[in-house]
Amino acid sequence: NAGVMQNPRHLVRRRGQEARLRCSPMKGHSHVYWYRQLPEEGLKFMVYLQKENIIDESGMPKERFSAEFPKEGPSILRIQQVVRGDSAAYFCASSQQGGPDFETQYFGPGTRLLVL
Amino acid sequence: RKEVEQDPGPFNVPEGATVAFNCTYSNSASQSFFWYRQDCRKEPKLLMSVYSSGNEDGRFTAQLNRASQYISLLIRDSKLSDSATYLCVVKGGGGNKLTFGTGTQLKVEL
Repeated sequence: NAGVMQNPRHLVRRRGQEARLRCSPMKGHSHVYWYRQLPEEGLKFMVYLQKENIIDESGMPKERFSAEFPKEGPSILRIQQVVRGDSAAYFCASSQQGGPDFETQYFGPGTRLLVL
Repeated sequence: RKEVEQDPGPFNVPEGATVAFNCTYSNSASQSFFWYRQDCRKEPKLLMSVYSSGNEDGRFTAQLNRASQYISLLIRDSKLSDSATYLCVVKGGGGNKLTFGTGTQLKVEL
């Protein structure tokens, strides 16, 4: 049973370009979460999605950031017009809809974004 | 005040030592509590959930005190492989999102 998959693992962008980060949840998981970890800081919640729905985006910056989790395919975190301050590790996590393990969020290996 | 506060460390201990980490949280409506472990430049991995009754998993014991809003993790007989950053994590108070402390760094030495 493959874990949470993220790609790319490393992404380099120049200021002003777009970054697209992809996340495939664990098999059987329908909830996806995105977190950001800035250098030397803790993980911060960004957004929580279920298939085709954004449930909680209280941690998303108001501009340039968007997320989706379509009916088919991976969840996408999109950052438009990247700036140097966007350089961070972006982690995706997934969890079950219900069942005994529904509380647990399992994390992917992360995408490390570097903005030059 | 941070939502989840931890002593950043580092805690440098010899192999075989017992070490304890503490954590406090500010949201009294929090419902679920966890310790995650994060190795350098890796993803967080669940170490254990934390229950009011206390729970133990091998060399690891976690405790929760809801009245004091305090969580602890005890590691007995430390191994070199325990070296990592330990993240105190809280969930609830109105959603599924996890709120992370900044982590406590542990270094176990020969």
